[in-house]
Amino acid sequence: EVQLVQSGAEVKKPGESLKISCKDSGDTFSNSWIGWVRQMPGKGLEWMGIINLGDSDPTYSPSFRGQVTISADKSINTAYLQWNSLKASDTAMYYCVLRMNVFAVWGQGTMVTVSS
Amino acid sequence: EIVMTQSPATLSVSPGERVTLSCRASQSVGSRLAWYQQKPDQAPRLLLYGASTRATNIPTRFSGSGSGTEFTLTISNLQSEDFAIYYCQHYNNWPPLYTFGQGTKLEIK
Repeated sequence: EVQLVQSGAEVKKPGESLKISCKDSGDTFSNSWIGWVRQMPGKGLEWMGIINLGDSDPTYSPSFRGQVTISADKSINTAYLQWNSLKASDTAMYYCVLRMNVFAVWGQGTMVTVSS
Repeated sequence: EIVMTQSPATLSVSPGERVTLSCRASQSVGSRLAWYQQKPDQAPRLLLYGASTRATNIPTRFSGSGSGTEFTLTISNLQSEDFAIYYCQHYNNWPPLYTFGQGTKLEIK
């Protein structure tokens, strides 16, 4: 069974950096597409970007380009979402998704809280 | 930019009833439309794709229709576990572009 396992919840201060991860625990796919979706508290779903594990070339939603960095390590079937300088407005649940035509498999989510 | 608009924002219904949720695209998206269900404190789950194809293990009481700009999700014989938030999504895999609607909350009357 394909499962995406995300890293644990994080509490950070404004200005700090952060990198969260998402691993295909089944090591099923070597060339899969992993996307990231943000859900701010009490709000809807927003697609942030997507990366192909095979060539590690990300595509960003216009709303998130320049705000985050998406990367991947094909050797361990893991994708990453990174911030260089967090803001309070980055407080949200972040989901990774495995794209199999559509967002077929979702990670359990990583809660990121940014507070001084 | 394609905008996905769902209506209504909230729907109050009783178990056993049949309900229809709407999703409208600002321009034609063909049949590249998916529906997701999200329960409290859970990750979303794929229900339907291609506007009308049920995902694996999705009960037959969930059905979808539409193409172009108008889509519907119909849930027949509502069960208690169906009360959740439902999102539609336009998907385009190349170049990658994915747009969610704002969601419809289905609550118990």
